[in-house]
Amino acid sequence: DADVTQTPRNRITKTGKRIMLECSQTKGHDRMYWYRQDPGLGLRLIYYSFDVKDINKGEISDGYSVSRQAQAKFSLSLESAIPNQTALYFCATSDLPRQGNTDTQYFGPGTRLTVL
Amino acid sequence: LAKTTQPISMDSYEGQEVNITCSHNNIATNDYITWYQQFPSQGPRFIIQGYKTKVTNEVASLFIPADRKSSTLSLPRVSLSDTAVYYCLVVAGGYQKVTFGTGTKLQVIP
Repeated sequence: DADVTQTPRNRITKTGKRIMLECSQTKGHDRMYWYRQDPGLGLRLIYYSFDVKDINKGEISDGYSVSRQAQAKFSLSLESAIPNQTALYFCATSDLPRQGNTDTQYFGPGTRLTVL
Repeated sequence: LAKTTQPISMDSYEGQEVNITCSHNNIATNDYITWYQQFPSQGPRFIIQGYKTKVTNEVASLFIPADRKSSTLSLPRVSLSDTAVYYCLVVAGGYQKVTFGTGTKLQVIP
């Protein structure tokens, strides 16, 4: 979805380095998410935020931190990158579900991170 | 958290209807069933969502039996561009442990 952008798209770094992945959205959604995807596996939720003042851990938050700088921006940080954090990282957004529906998420293009 | 089970892969010829079934035996009363499509190196894309019976949109149909313990995504007359991974999700409140699982890799053959 072009309304959700991620930077950088590709990044190669070394073990121990601090890395920040950024996500921006123009959809006006309150909810934002970070996922990682490993080869042959599905997506796993790292962190999510339902508004600027709300941050929640997902399934695999260890080794990661996030910052919700504004409604439109949600950053994921790896304070000290390690090789098993090599993966494809996706940011997603969603709006408050309407009655009779539930969350529909819109994904960015992904960031391919390699930790050597 | 309702766990989902779906086939790892499927093959289909162009022009055929494809049905992908997902099992979610411990689905809760307030859970919805949602399907996403993912092409290589792209983020997943929402296809369809439903709670019970049948839902149809311009892309697919979703069939949900009365007991809601399974659901079937139906793609009419698939083309080569439908080759992708399809994920079935059971989405409840909180989203704390939403996982996409491994999905079903659909290969459309000419």
